[in-house]
Amino acid sequence: AQSVTQLGSHVSVSEGALVLLRCNYSSSVPPYLFWYVQYPNQGLQLLLKYTSAATLVKGINGFEAEFKKSETSFHLTKPSAHMSDAAEYFCAVSDRTGNQFYFGTGTSLTVIP
Amino acid sequence: DAGVIQSPRHEVTEMGQEVTLRCKPISGHNSLFWYRQTMMRGLELLIYFNNNVPIDDSGMPEDRFSAKMPNASFSTLKIQPSEPRDSAVYFCASTQLAGANNGQFFGPGTRLTVL
Repeated sequence: AQSVTQLGSHVSVSEGALVLLRCNYSSSVPPYLFWYVQYPNQGLQLLLKYTSAATLVKGINGFEAEFKKSETSFHLTKPSAHMSDAAEYFCAVSDRTGNQFYFGTGTSLTVIP
Repeated sequence: DAGVIQSPRHEVTEMGQEVTLRCKPISGHNSLFWYRQTMMRGLELLIYFNNNVPIDDSGMPEDRFSAKMPNASFSTLKIQPSEPRDSAVYFCASTQLAGANNGQFFGPGTRLTVL
């Protein structure tokens, strides 16, 4: 069975500062991993995904994430936060069939001007 | 390409009324998911279908909730009778089973308020 844990339900960063959102996964088989972003009053939008190719994955809006098998982690980073990055971020894990898809509890990112 | 389409976007109803939420998945997708999102419980999977067949409905909160997928391009989630605690945002998502590595694509959600 798969699961994900997002450490920190709320993260605040200053505009221009590094963004680091943490995600650890549990999986008995090599998983697929995803980060989604949800802006206020909108649905979830795929930011990036890891599907066993390159371990450093680049996504939209300058975000990237690194798959670290030894740490069972898939943390999301962005070098410089923008005000427009304020949103809820969800980490998700899936098995290879797509039938087992689990979301983390989400991390709310606040960007301080 | 049109994304996942949900209707209505907002629904306000009174306790005891029947509510029907609708979803049109992305064309070609053969797996459909219904989620509920609240502040208290976050994002919860209610039920999902593969090739129009319900696979796992263990997340459906109680018998008042039912979901159908009569064909590959349409699904409904019905609540009868509705209760105030059903107030939430309901999302529909779809994906292609063969492309599990593409993740799920979400609709804009239906915001349900039960008075």
